[in-house]
Amino acid sequence: GQNIDQPTEMTATEGAIVQINCTYQTSGFNGLFWYQQHAGEAPTFLSYNVLDGLEEKGRFSSFLSRSKGYSYLLLKELQMKDSASYLCAVLHNDYKLSFGAGTTVTVRA
Amino acid sequence: GAVVSQHPSRVICKSGTSVKIECRSLDFQATTMFWYRQFPKQSLMLMATSNEGSKATYEQGVEKDKFLINHASLTLSTLTVTSAHPEDSSFYICSARGRGDTQYFGPGTRLTVL
Repeated sequence: GQNIDQPTEMTATEGAIVQINCTYQTSGFNGLFWYQQHAGEAPTFLSYNVLDGLEEKGRFSSFLSRSKGYSYLLLKELQMKDSASYLCAVLHNDYKLSFGAGTTVTVRA
Repeated sequence: GAVVSQHPSRVICKSGTSVKIECRSLDFQATTMFWYRQFPKQSLMLMATSNEGSKATYEQGVEKDKFLINHASLTLSTLTVTSAHPEDSSFYICSARGRGDTQYFGPGTRLTVL
């Protein structure tokens, strides 16, 4: 089975930095995705980590430690449009994805 | 690139009718397509995995006779909700995987069964 945990909600100020943590316990781990989902819309791809370390992509960075079963998504220079749900998803060896419950980020002016 | 479309985006139907949802990969060939269901304020739950030319594999607890999946080509998969009931009302999302590991999601279909 799998267990994927991430905080339910986070609030931050425009221009600030927020770090969303995700821990997982799973079999057949093949990589970890982060997706952004606005209310009523489908998820959009943000990042994919296979190896340990930090992947930086503009304002968003993602980190993975396979030995610790831990990942985080770092959002820098927060903008109002970043208010959304952020989904941590584990990719299994059979290419299936298991999603965490999602973290709702609210950016305040 | 990697665009996935879904049709329709919204559907309202009467209880007992069947609804077909189409998922298309527009600019790549999808080796595998996935169907998810998402209830309000919950995460995505995988319903089934669809490979072109073969039968779909369903997750535990998902009725294959109720949720019919057809993957007719490398760019098209359909999900038919048969004899829909109000408890089937949900947001249905498909995703498609090409040669890589990344799944790209369609825009979703909101089904409301009256």
